[in-house]
Amino acid sequence: GAGVSQSPSNKVTEKGKDVELRCDPISGHTALYWYRQSLGQGLEFLIYFQGNSAPDKSGLPSDRFSAERTGGSVSTLTIQRTQQEDSAVYLCASSGDRGEGRAKNIQYFGAGTRLSVL
Amino acid sequence: AQSVTQLDSQVPVFEEAPVELRCNYSSSVSVYLFWYVQYPNQGLQLLLKYLSGSTLVKGINGFEAEFNKSQTSFHLRKPSVHISDTAEYFCAVRRTSGTYKYIFGTGTRLKVLA
Repeated sequence: GAGVSQSPSNKVTEKGKDVELRCDPISGHTALYWYRQSLGQGLEFLIYFQGNSAPDKSGLPSDRFSAERTGGSVSTLTIQRTQQEDSAVYLCASSGDRGEGRAKNIQYFGAGTRLSVL
Repeated sequence: AQSVTQLDSQVPVFEEAPVELRCNYSSSVSVYLFWYVQYPNQGLQLLLKYLSGSTLVKGINGFEAEFNKSQTSFHLRKPSVHISDTAEYFCAVRRTSGTYKYIFGTGTRLKVLA
């Protein structure tokens, strides 16, 4: 597609439920990132995938959070047993390692999924 | 490990006045530096980046930033702001090798007043 697509754009859930957030990166981009944006907290790195390498999961806040990337393209971020503190905007970004200039150093962001846990 | 500090959480400035948004970073290895902008209700987009070469980099919408290695700073400047520049600005770093992980600052909300 033309840009990074995230779905749903908004998600309201009850405390204790599981949620899945989806990210469709720009076609051909090998790197995919998940961030969490909370009010006043900036962007918090969660996880990134780079090609076929093992993902860097160092930013995941607890074992309730997991992510996978199937076929090197679409990624799903799963939050199990959601808590109210999980309420935030979850952003996905992708970047490529091909193209003119230093394209691999530019992240393209999706519009985000706003998660509200009641 | 790397860290990014944006000391100013909010910066109000009058239209047509100059502005500087401060960014300091900490890293024991060489890094690339970035500024991203997030307009209200929109996603983040790249404003400018420093990879190598000239320490003064120019970005979109008349913004520029200067990489100062000795002061570990990458402050963002614009000589004359417009109402449309009202947005949140994020500074970020990434190691030049070994990892593709980005570290972002907490952001500076620029509010341009008429």
